[in-house]
Amino acid sequence: DVVMTQSPLSLPVTLGQPASISCRSSQSLVNSDGNTYLNWFQQKPGQSPRRLIYKVSNRDSGVPDRFSGSGSGTDFTLKISRVEAEDVGVYYCMQATQWPAAFGPGTKVDIK
Amino acid sequence: EVRLLQSGAEVKKPGESLKISCEASGYNFPNYWIGWVRQMPGKGLEWMGIIYPDDSNTRYSPSFQGQVTISADKSINTAYLRWSSLKASDTAMYYCVRKSDYWGQGTLVIVSS
Repeated sequence: DVVMTQSPLSLPVTLGQPASISCRSSQSLVNSDGNTYLNWFQQKPGQSPRRLIYKVSNRDSGVPDRFSGSGSGTDFTLKISRVEAEDVGVYYCMQATQWPAAFGPGTKVDIK
Repeated sequence: EVRLLQSGAEVKKPGESLKISCEASGYNFPNYWIGWVRQMPGKGLEWMGIIYPDDSNTRYSPSFQGQVTISADKSINTAYLRWSSLKASDTAMYYCVRKSDYWGQGTLVIVSS
């Protein structure tokens, strides 16, 4: 099974400053169809998770453009260009290239 | 508009059975994988399993194989998650998820004697 890791697990950020979360997989996430099924989710306190990014770098509808995803193979990054107060929450990467799909452990983002 | 409406919170005793539901609307239910994700109190997200409603093809994560049953009724656009004998360790929030893009509001299951 593919194991997902994230760093850091806790990320205190200053409003208006950039933030970056790393995600690594134990195996390449390139699918036989050529796509890389790496997604990013945001979970705010008391809410269901919300997908932000799919297939590494594609923003979901309604996601602010301050969120961006990048990476390839086994190394991926979620960046927030300028953190806003509403971005507080836990961020998860998830691979859907092979079953069982798997989430990373989550990165808790809060304001310094 | 895609919506996944889950059944309400449950409080059960160890050993009891339970089936929770997820009613889908706004898309062609039979032709999208739909799955269940567990979130234990204060913890992260775990995929339990997925089902393709059109042919009931079902896959389970190894940790949940044999522990739960996932099913779907495409005539009423509803997916289910069932336990035959609950344990205290099943206490968690359970989310239904269409592929990975749409999530239900969650069903809280509390198992306590």
